[in-house]
Amino acid sequence: GAGVSQSPSNKVTEKGKDVELRCDPISGHTALYWYRQSLGQGLEFLIYFQGNSAPDKSGLPSDRFSAERTGGSVSTLTIQRTQQEDSAVYLCASSQRQGAYEQYFGPGTRLTVT
Amino acid sequence: GENVEQHPSTLSVQEGDSAVIKCTYSDSASNYFPWYKQELGKRPQLIIDIRSNVGEKKDQRIAVTLNKTAKHFSLHITETQPEDSAVYFCAPPGGSNYKLTFGKGTLLTVNP
Repeated sequence: GAGVSQSPSNKVTEKGKDVELRCDPISGHTALYWYRQSLGQGLEFLIYFQGNSAPDKSGLPSDRFSAERTGGSVSTLTIQRTQQEDSAVYLCASSQRQGAYEQYFGPGTRLTVT
Repeated sequence: GENVEQHPSTLSVQEGDSAVIKCTYSDSASNYFPWYKQELGKRPQLIIDIRSNVGEKKDQRIAVTLNKTAKHFSLHITETQPEDSAVYFCAPPGGSNYKLTFGKGTLLTVNP
């Protein structure tokens, strides 16, 4: 079946602009995660959604970052007033249920802030 | 939160040799220990995982061993092949069970 998809695949924006990144998880997966991967680094947890529970936002680096998940499916990560240090690959993942289970990653959105 | 260290950062082996990558973690509440593989320009993919009630798990050429007392777990790849060349990440979630904390990765190069 279809895997996790993300759009856009690449985004170049000017410093100070807002950007929206989209994630479509695998159908039926109740858990959704956002991670950030800077060049040559490991992945950094940003936010976690599970069903109708309040999201775990503990990884968001600043209040310029926010995310929502509508209808328990599609998620949008929004970065306001982008800075150069926001440049990274933003990866979305989903898993079948809450807890310690395989996370399936999307292809990522490469964000470049100029 | 979980602190994760992964060693070595780079590893170069000849085709057919074995490779071992070690991951140490800090959160004693961790009970799930996955390894992800990321090929250049691709997404991370789970290759093997282990839970704390098991000391070792094997899947063909890949195995993971866990030492909960010492708080480390290792990835073992035998009979390496060029297609094993990639970056490998350990990512224990700590007590949260879902918030993967990735190590900095090990770049494995298998030379033909």
